[in-house]
Amino acid sequence: GAGVSQSPSNKVTEKGKDVELRCDPISGHTALYWYRQRLGQGLEFLIYFQGNSAPDKSGLPSDRFSAERTGESVSTLTIQRTQQEDSAVYLCASSLPPVGGYTFGSGTRLTVV
Amino acid sequence: GENVEQHPSTLSVQEGDSAVIKCTYSDSASNYFPWYKQELGKGPQLIIDIRSNVGEKKDQRIAVTLNKTAKHFSLHITETQPEDSAVYFCAAKATYKYIFGTGTRLKVLA
Repeated sequence: GAGVSQSPSNKVTEKGKDVELRCDPISGHTALYWYRQRLGQGLEFLIYFQGNSAPDKSGLPSDRFSAERTGESVSTLTIQRTQQEDSAVYLCASSLPPVGGYTFGSGTRLTVV
Repeated sequence: GENVEQHPSTLSVQEGDSAVIKCTYSDSASNYFPWYKQELGKGPQLIIDIRSNVGEKKDQRIAVTLNKTAKHFSLHITETQPEDSAVYFCAAKATYKYIFGTGTRLKVLA
């Protein structure tokens, strides 16, 4: 597609439920990133995928968080047993290394009640 | 670990005045420094970037300067307009991952 697409744009869930967030990168972009942005805060790195290489999961805050990517296409970020502190905007970005910069999607606003 | 500090956190300027946002990075291997603008409800958009082999880059009313020795880089917006109001993020990249600053909320007062 023309840009990075994320769905849903908004998600309200009850504490303890699982949620799945989706990211469609720009076609041909081999690198995909997930970031978390808490209200009024900066962007916190979560995970990085590059082609068929092992992902860099060093930013995932707990084992309740996981992400998958099939080849160089769609990625899903899953949060299990959601907690109120998981409330944030989850941003996805894709790029074409080595010189391509990030293009961000519009994010998924997650609210845990 | 890698860190990027950004100042100020909020900045108000009169329309037509200049705005300057400053960032400092810790990883001396950083070689790429993008700036992003984020409007309410949207994802960050790249507005300008600079690579480590360049000291300054300009694009119309926006310019970025880089001091590698001091590990400082700055965003300069001249002749500010109300539509420049947004949150601005700096970032530094050493390998494949961007480390972002905490953002500056810029308000341009008409």
